[in-house]
Amino acid sequence: EAQVTQNPRYLITVTGKKLTVTCSQNMNHEYMSWYRQDPGLGLRQIYYSMNVEVTDKGDVPEGYKVSRKEKRNFPLILESPSPNQTSLYFCASTRSSTGANTEAFFGQGTRLTVV
Amino acid sequence: AQSVTQPDIHITVSEGASLELRCNYSYGATPYLFWYVQSPGQGLQLLLKYFSGDTLVQGIKGFEAEFKRSQSSFNLRKPSVHWSDAAEYFCAVGVYNTDKLIFGTGTRLQVFP
Repeated sequence: EAQVTQNPRYLITVTGKKLTVTCSQNMNHEYMSWYRQDPGLGLRQIYYSMNVEVTDKGDVPEGYKVSRKEKRNFPLILESPSPNQTSLYFCASTRSSTGANTEAFFGQGTRLTVV
Repeated sequence: AQSVTQPDIHITVSEGASLELRCNYSYGATPYLFWYVQSPGQGLQLLLKYFSGDTLVQGIKGFEAEFKRSQSSFNLRKPSVHWSDAAEYFCAVGVYNTDKLIFGTGTRLQVFP
């Protein structure tokens, strides 16, 4: 079954404690991205990756890092989380970055609370 | 700048009633347009998409949407709503030559029996 898997689904952490949210896709997609969802703001792109070792900032990258060492994995790293990073996070993957804008597949989401 | 506006934050309908969710976009070229649905505790599921061609597109779960270039709109419709349609709906535009999506702020649909 084609899917994007995020872990963990729920996470409560304290300010400043480094954390990683993992994302894995089994569709051999080239393009992966991270979004955060906040009430009244919809989803905003944090970072994206067009292929292995190719990453770039989205619209709200401050406070986040990513890496793409393998095609299937795209972890989101918060080196020093702060309360304003409390949000619902989604990983997404798309077949290619040709501009054809084929369907994006989303993970189930990770609800992060930073206290 | 590219943007998507969903004017209705919250809509309530009775089961069996018709539904229209509004979406307006701002984009410099022919847009790629999408509607996604997010059920409680779930990720986003694609309902339908418009790339080109016929301006009336059919999607899953009985939904359809009509692209109107003159109005910069891509409204989502369903003739008869079911209780299971209660969810949050997001309209999005795809940025050309990337796979980035720009989302609207969402419309929460509540369905009463």
